[in-house]
Amino acid sequence: DQQVKQNSPSLSVQEGRISILNCDYTNSMFDYFLWYKKYPAEGPTFLISISSIKDKNEDGRFTVFLNKSAKHLSLHIVPSQPGDSAVYFCAAHNNAGNMLTFGGGTRLMVKP
Amino acid sequence: DVKVTQSSRYLVKRTGEKVFLECVQDMDHENMFWYRQDPGLGLRLIYFSYDVKMKEKGDIPEGYSVSREKKERFSLILESASTNQTSMYLCACGGSLNTGELFFGEGSRLTVL
Repeated sequence: DQQVKQNSPSLSVQEGRISILNCDYTNSMFDYFLWYKKYPAEGPTFLISISSIKDKNEDGRFTVFLNKSAKHLSLHIVPSQPGDSAVYFCAAHNNAGNMLTFGGGTRLMVKP
Repeated sequence: DVKVTQSSRYLVKRTGEKVFLECVQDMDHENMFWYRQDPGLGLRLIYFSYDVKMKEKGDIPEGYSVSREKKERFSLILESASTNQTSMYLCACGGSLNTGELFFGEGSRLTVL
């Protein structure tokens, strides 16, 4: 049973527009959430994170929103650029086990 | 910058062969992890290690074993490779107690025929 779910396997957006990637989780013990970006033939790289005590974290074009009551988080990319085309993984940290649980990933394609 | 190096980028093996995937990190992190990545399933944890000679099963340990003889090196072993182990294997280190942030290697694409 997947504790972290990314229900959209792919997303296509026009350059300059907003990209919104969504992630849902079921375990209320998760205390920290991270987004990773992965290009083909490379390992995932850390993008942005948010603590469960916050509801928003912003870093340049990237903003992550957390809705704890809905057990939902989203990553907003504004404006989207062709170089943002990659697979994005949502991950959640369980402090009890000190492990990350990953979602299935969303492939973002930003069209020029 | 943390560097995580995986020994082989691409491997092709036959069913029943023994496979070694090696991973070396240069940042003195206690924690090291092996994941596999499959389409639609994301990254699934196979094994992890908190310290030398320590190992813990992840979510999908069946068919795998690991070895951590030195702090910087974490090896994944497939004793008898099967076709359902064809996958991308990712090694990571890090795992801060507060955030869990990981640093990944470039991955090893294993094909079992």
